[in-house]
Amino acid sequence: GENVEQHPSTLSVQEGDSAVIKCTYSDSASNYFPWYKQELGKRPQLIIDIRSNVGEKKDQRIAVTLNKTAKHFSLHITETQPEDSAVYFCAASIQGGSYIPTFGRGTSLIVHP
Amino acid sequence: NAGVTQTPKFRVLKTGQSMTLLCAQDMNHEYMYWYRQDPGMGLRLIHYSVGEGTTAKGEVPDGYNVSRLKKQNFLLGLESAAPSQTSVYFCASSYGGAGNNEQFFGPGTRLTVL
Repeated sequence: GENVEQHPSTLSVQEGDSAVIKCTYSDSASNYFPWYKQELGKRPQLIIDIRSNVGEKKDQRIAVTLNKTAKHFSLHITETQPEDSAVYFCAASIQGGSYIPTFGRGTSLIVHP
Repeated sequence: NAGVTQTPKFRVLKTGQSMTLLCAQDMNHEYMYWYRQDPGMGLRLIHYSVGEGTTAKGEVPDGYNVSRLKKQNFLLGLESAAPSQTSVYFCASSYGGAGNNEQFFGPGTRLTVL
């Protein structure tokens, strides 16, 4: 089955800095890669996703890049703000057919004012 | 439109007791999932369903059972609770198939087994 590794487990940055979270996956058939944000005590919510037919996707201060050859994808957050502090999860799955995502273990991002 | 709801929000059980967690969604989603979340372990899939009347095992199914008698509901049962089942449980749903695969999560159930 699919295996998703996520690094780092904890990331501490100063407000205004950039943050990068990396994930690797094992199944070359995976073609859908979402990122979820979970604030303390809240439910995970989708913040951005990318499909294997594109290499990069941006949405304001967040972006995701995908390298299919190396089987890794990354979340980039620029100009971090205290409200970006949360746990971020990456996932990988095969879109179409039985869509069952495999999640990484999460990254706790702390943004210091 | 309530999205995904879960009941109860909190529960304390004694070892050996049983309980059922209820998940309901009003988005007409085909796929539903039960996860458990433990510190440092991420979201681990317990069971899932790809449609009414169907269920399948996930990564950590032992000690749990599920049922999907109605499309909008997905029940998770613990027949004989153990302290190792102390966790936060999240239900999720998604459209599934080749379309939008965004998962919508419920607010979670915090379960403590003494």
